[in-house]
Amino acid sequence: EDQVTQSPEALRLQEGESSSLNCSYTVSGLRGLFWYRQDPGKGPEFLFTLYSAGEEKEKERLKATLTKKESFLHITAPKPEDSATYLCAVPDSSASKIIFGSGTRLSIRP
Amino acid sequence: GAGVSQSPRYKVAKRGQDVALRCDPISGHVSLFWYQQALGQGPEFLTYFQNEAQLDKSGLPSDRFFAERPEGSVSTLKIQRTQQEDSAVYLCASSPQGYTEAFFGQGTRLTVV
Repeated sequence: EDQVTQSPEALRLQEGESSSLNCSYTVSGLRGLFWYRQDPGKGPEFLFTLYSAGEEKEKERLKATLTKKESFLHITAPKPEDSATYLCAVPDSSASKIIFGSGTRLSIRP
Repeated sequence: GAGVSQSPRYKVAKRGQDVALRCDPISGHVSLFWYQQALGQGPEFLTYFQNEAQLDKSGLPSDRFFAERPEGSVSTLKIQRTQQEDSAVYLCASSPQGYTEAFFGQGTRLTVV
């Protein structure tokens, strides 16, 4: 069964404390992996697409990496404004829909 | 506008009432998706359009849910005889083609009382 699992469910960090969020997936024939950021009361905001193992993308303090089984979203020296829910998603095996994980709620304390 | 626009932003419906939620995708985007998001969960797929064709509606939870995109741009999600379990945020997204990166609207928060 196609599945996307994110961990941890919630993560509280001190400002400047780097860490990583995990997204593991089971799908046949990966056709891309998407990372989104979602703020309370808003729709998900697109961050990155990764297509192949070994690929990396960066945006400000965020870096996304991809292996054959999982993706990591590394956050370096985070700031309070990085607090949000981070969602991971992949097209399913039949490429008929995009399936999302439950997200990681990231909270950065000043 | 430059982004995906959804209306209304908030809707309160009495149980049994019919509702219609509107989505204006980014101009020129071929693909349009509807998702349902419960509190603390990731979005759950409802349905997918390519232009005016509804290619996948496997995520619609019951025959009370109906979506259309008659001219290949604006889409409407209709829920008939709303139930309390329909309370959620309904998200619309569009993409240039297929399952490339999709851009989401702000969502419509539906509360059924």
